[in-house]
Amino acid sequence: GAGVSQTPSNKVTEKGKYVELRCDPISGHTALYWYRQSLGQGPEFLIYFQGTGAADDSGLPNDRFFAVRPEGSVSTLKIQRTERGDSAVYLCASSLRGTGGTDTQYFGPGTRLTVL
Amino acid sequence: AQSVTQLDSQVPVFEEAPVELRCNYSSSVSVYLFWYVQYPNQGLQLLLKYLSGSTLVKGINGFEAEFNKSQTSFHLRKPSVHISDTAEYFCAVSARTGANNLFFGTGTRLTVIP
Repeated sequence: GAGVSQTPSNKVTEKGKYVELRCDPISGHTALYWYRQSLGQGPEFLIYFQGTGAADDSGLPNDRFFAVRPEGSVSTLKIQRTERGDSAVYLCASSLRGTGGTDTQYFGPGTRLTVL
Repeated sequence: AQSVTQLDSQVPVFEEAPVELRCNYSSSVSVYLFWYVQYPNQGLQLLLKYLSGSTLVKGINGFEAEFNKSQTSFHLRKPSVHISDTAEYFCAVSARTGANNLFFGTGTRLTVIP
C-alpha cells in the first residue's frame, strides 16, 4: 500500500516568506507526527496529532510554527516569517494508534526547506 | 526528558566484516528503544525495536541489537555487512507512558567498502 507522502519534496524560499508543507499519512492512521532534521543531526520532534487535535506541540520552536490536521488525515505545517535557521528537512510520520512505542511510526521522504 | 548519544558519527567497514554501531541513552522514565535506517534519498525505516522481554532483538536485513539496562545501551550489530547496508543509522527512544514522540541520536553513517 501507499506510504506516507510529503509535498513538495523541495522548497526554496526567501527570508521572511510564508511556507506550507503538506503530509499525507498512511490511510487509516490516526496518529501523525512532524519532525525536523537539520544538517548532521537526528530528527527532532515538533508536534504530534491524535486525530484532528494536537496532542503534543511541545517541540514547536516558536509561534512562527503552526500545524493543522482539520479532517484527521492530511496535515499541513505552516511557517511564518521564515528565517535562515529554519532550513532543514521536515519529516512527517504516521502510526496506526499513536499509543507509545508499541505502535510503529512510518516516515515520509521529507521536504527539504531552504531559506535564502 | 530523554536523550540519545551515538558516539560514532562515521563507521567505515569492509564488506563481509562484522559491525557494531553504538547507542547509549539517558532517561528519567522507562523507555522503548529503536533503530531506524535512512538509505540515500529515502525516508526513515524501522530496523528493530525493543519493547520488553528478551534483551536481544532481531530486526530486518540481518541486524540485531542488545538492550543493556545497567549500561543504558542499545548497540546495533550485524555479523557480515553488504554494500547495500551503506546508510545512516539512527538510534531513538520514546517514553513508555505519556508522549509518543521519538527522541533521536545524531546518527551514524555506515559506509561499507568493497
